[in-house]
Amino acid sequence: GDSVTQTEGLVTLTEGLPVMLNCTYQTIYSNPFLFWYVQHLNESPRLLLKSFTDNKRTEHQGFHATLHKSSSSFHLQKSSAQLSDSALYYCALSEGQGGRALIFGTGTTVSVSP
Amino acid sequence: EAAVTQSPRNKVAVTGGKVTLSCNQTNNHNNMYWYRQDTGHGLRLIHYSYGAGSTEKGDIPDGYKASRPSQENFSLILELATPSQTSVYFCASGDENWGRDAEQFFGPGTRLTVL
Repeated sequence: GDSVTQTEGLVTLTEGLPVMLNCTYQTIYSNPFLFWYVQHLNESPRLLLKSFTDNKRTEHQGFHATLHKSSSSFHLQKSSAQLSDSALYYCALSEGQGGRALIFGTGTTVSVSP
Repeated sequence: EAAVTQSPRNKVAVTGGKVTLSCNQTNNHNNMYWYRQDTGHGLRLIHYSYGAGSTEKGDIPDGYKASRPSQENFSLILELATPSQTSVYFCASGDENWGRDAEQFFGPGTRLTVL
């Protein structure tokens, strides 16, 4: 079945350094939609960014990601981490039109220190 | 503004007891979902619904039932609660059109502890 893999459970870094969170997926569907959700402490998940276009960079709130269907990847990046970026990040996959629901990865916790 | 509310926000139940978690959305979305969130497992889909009167099993439906009596309301029912069901439960709503505007809106969550 479809699946999403996030290899890092915890990423710790210093403010100002770049961030990269890995996300790979498996699906039989040829036109998947990929999402990044962010969840701050004691809050609910909310959409950070999304993409369904191959090889097109998507940006929002300083973060960016590019869907690469050739490698089944949708890595999240930011050039300079801020303290407020400390949160739990989920990569998610949708099968597209008529799809059942989002399939989430296990999440990556990002902890940014001064 | 999209709005999904859940009640109760916190619940302590006893093993073997019945628990009902409620969710209400004012987004006029057809689709609604119940997830549980556990460290190391992320968000896992329990049940979902395509509209009033419909419920579908997700990835981990055992021990849970769902009810969708109306467009706005979606309940998760634990008939015989067990300690393994201690978790944070999130309800979400989403548009059935999984196009470029596809997004799920999450409620604030319910923290359930089964003793």
